[in-house]
Amino acid sequence: NAGVTQTPKFQVLKTGQSMTLQCAQDMNHNSMYWYRQDPGMGLRLIYYSASEGTTDKGEVPNGYNVSRLNKREFSLRLESAAPSQTSVYFCASRDLAALRHEQYFGPGTRLTVT
Amino acid sequence: AQSVTQLDSQVPVFEEAPVELRCNYSSSVSVYLFWYVQYPNQGLQLLLKYLSGSTLVKGINGFEAEFNKSQTSFHLRKPSVHISDTAEYFCAVSEKDSGGYQKVTFGTGTKLQVIP
Repeated sequence: NAGVTQTPKFQVLKTGQSMTLQCAQDMNHNSMYWYRQDPGMGLRLIYYSASEGTTDKGEVPNGYNVSRLNKREFSLRLESAAPSQTSVYFCASRDLAALRHEQYFGPGTRLTVT
Repeated sequence: AQSVTQLDSQVPVFEEAPVELRCNYSSSVSVYLFWYVQYPNQGLQLLLKYLSGSTLVKGINGFEAEFNKSQTSFHLRKPSVHISDTAEYFCAVSEKDSGGYQKVTFGTGTKLQVIP
């Protein structure tokens, strides 16, 4: 059981470049989330997917898009990276169907935009 | 709308001393409450959670938290900290939004620094 995996672990982009962050979970969870973590600001929700086939905006969705590819995978895309998107990105999943309300987090992707 | 306040951004404490990390939330409905720990360069992992029942919740690594509905608080405590407890701690609240979905809000985190 790998839990929640994220790739890549580190990435450096130039302003204007695009990239996709990948996330997969092997726990058969319905809900998946993308957060960004910045110093002193805690975790802020970018997008979430309550179930396969649905996605919704979170607190800070501008500049990002997501795809819930299947039940296991939830990707985050930056179409035109900006320095303000320099952050640590975390993917998480949750099993609300089994009334397990806690989230399980991946190890994170450290993104620097120059 | 819910919000979570962790007033202390950093808490230094000597090894083997007790510690309390404070968390207050604002919500008008019933909530679920969580504490997560983040070690350097890692993701978050669950320390403990309150869903219902006893207001005193015990978690991993000797931590416990008490849900106080009247004070809308969920403070985290440990009677004797260890160097390995040095980490950042996040309080989180989950409540149903207008669409019936369990929405999660995180506090800004408290960095616990254990001094040898």
